[in-house]
Amino acid sequence: GENVEQHPSTLSVQEGDSAVIKCTYSDSASNYFPWYKQELGKRPQLIIDIRSNVGEKKDQRIAVTLNKTAKHFSLHITETQPEDSAVYFCAASIRTSYDKVIFGPGTSLSVIP
Amino acid sequence: DAGVIQSPRHEVTEMGQEVTLRCKPISGHNSLFWYRQTMMRGLELLIYFNNNVPIDDSGMPEDRFSAKMPNASFSTLKIQPSEPRDSAVYFCASGIDNTGELFFGEGSRLTVL
Repeated sequence: GENVEQHPSTLSVQEGDSAVIKCTYSDSASNYFPWYKQELGKRPQLIIDIRSNVGEKKDQRIAVTLNKTAKHFSLHITETQPEDSAVYFCAASIRTSYDKVIFGPGTSLSVIP
Repeated sequence: DAGVIQSPRHEVTEMGQEVTLRCKPISGHNSLFWYRQTMMRGLELLIYFNNNVPIDDSGMPEDRFSAKMPNASFSTLKIQPSEPRDSAVYFCASGIDNTGELFFGEGSRLTVL
């Protein structure tokens, strides 16, 4: 089955700096890679996703890149703000059927004002 | 739409008691997922349903756990008998085939003493 690894487990950055979180997956059939943000005490919410026919996707200050050959994908947050502080989860699934959505272990991001 | 609705939000019970967690997915969604979240193990997929049918329950920890989805608007996750190691936040999420995004409920925080 699919296994998703995520690094680092914790990340502290100064406000205004960039943050990068990296994930790897094991199942080459996976073709959908979402990222979820979970603020303290709240539910995970989708912030951006990428499909396997796309190498990069950007939405304002966040971007995701995908390398299918190497089976890894990354989240980039630029100009970080204190409200970006949260736990970020990457995930992988096969989207042609509603297959399992398997989450990575999460990265706790702290943005220091 | 009110989103995915879970109840109870908090449950404190004693070891050996039966616990039932409830979930109402978003109307029109045909897939439903139960996840368990702990600090040690992150977001674990327990079971998911598609069109009310259990597709994969390989994540259910043991026979003490059971889940049902009698109709498109209701699902339960039952633990009987409960143990302290079952203490966690249990999330229900729903989605639509081939769209990818999961919509999470607020979660049910379970404490087993």
